[in-house]
Amino acid sequence: EADIYQTPRYLVIGTGKKITLECSQTMGHDKMYWYQQDPGMELHLIHYSYGVNSTEKGDLSSESTVSRIRTEHFPLTLESARPSHTSQYLCASRLPPGQGIDTQYFGPGTRLTVL
Amino acid sequence: AQKITQTQPGMFVQEKEAVTLDCTYDTSDQSYGLFWYKQPSSGEMIFLIYQGSYDEQNATEGRYSLNFQKARKSANLVISASQLGDSAMYFCAMRGFFTGNQFYFGTGTSLTVIP
Repeated sequence: EADIYQTPRYLVIGTGKKITLECSQTMGHDKMYWYQQDPGMELHLIHYSYGVNSTEKGDLSSESTVSRIRTEHFPLTLESARPSHTSQYLCASRLPPGQGIDTQYFGPGTRLTVL
Repeated sequence: AQKITQTQPGMFVQEKEAVTLDCTYDTSDQSYGLFWYKQPSSGEMIFLIYQGSYDEQNATEGRYSLNFQKARKSANLVISASQLGDSAMYFCAMRGFFTGNQFYFGTGTSLTVIP
């Protein structure tokens, strides 16, 4: 089982602010993911990373950026938050091939409200 | 293209009874993995069970079993002896082994266990 952490758990900010959502995992997983999820709805992939210095955009354009400078750390940045960004953001990581069931392990999520 | 369909927005089950949550999928991959996750009201996504497309036997994990019918492209989750703590959203997901590292999620089913 993976240990994956997200901070903050809850965030309320005003429109136009720049924010960074933190995600860290302690298992050395190479692949990491960010999802956006409205309450009770499906998950939308925002970004993912294969490893250090490797990031890709997902299906949902959320006007955010990510970086992967260290294996364990995958922060998500919103340059200018808008009310439409109000949602839950879930970070996940995945075992390297051959090391167990090929599933994603999720963090507890960050619930963002933009006023 | 990959697509997951969950046609039951909400389900109710009596405590101690069994319940089946439906999931159908569409993929162009010959090899793929199917997953079920549970999301309680706290928001965290919890991995429940995995089925590989090449597995001949249905996966089981405690009270969870996956009814895998490859020809019908269905991967239904069966929860036996429902408990009040099973009340949550349930998401079916898949990943094609040759089309990349993305996971595709369904829209979820909200399960309520009635005492």
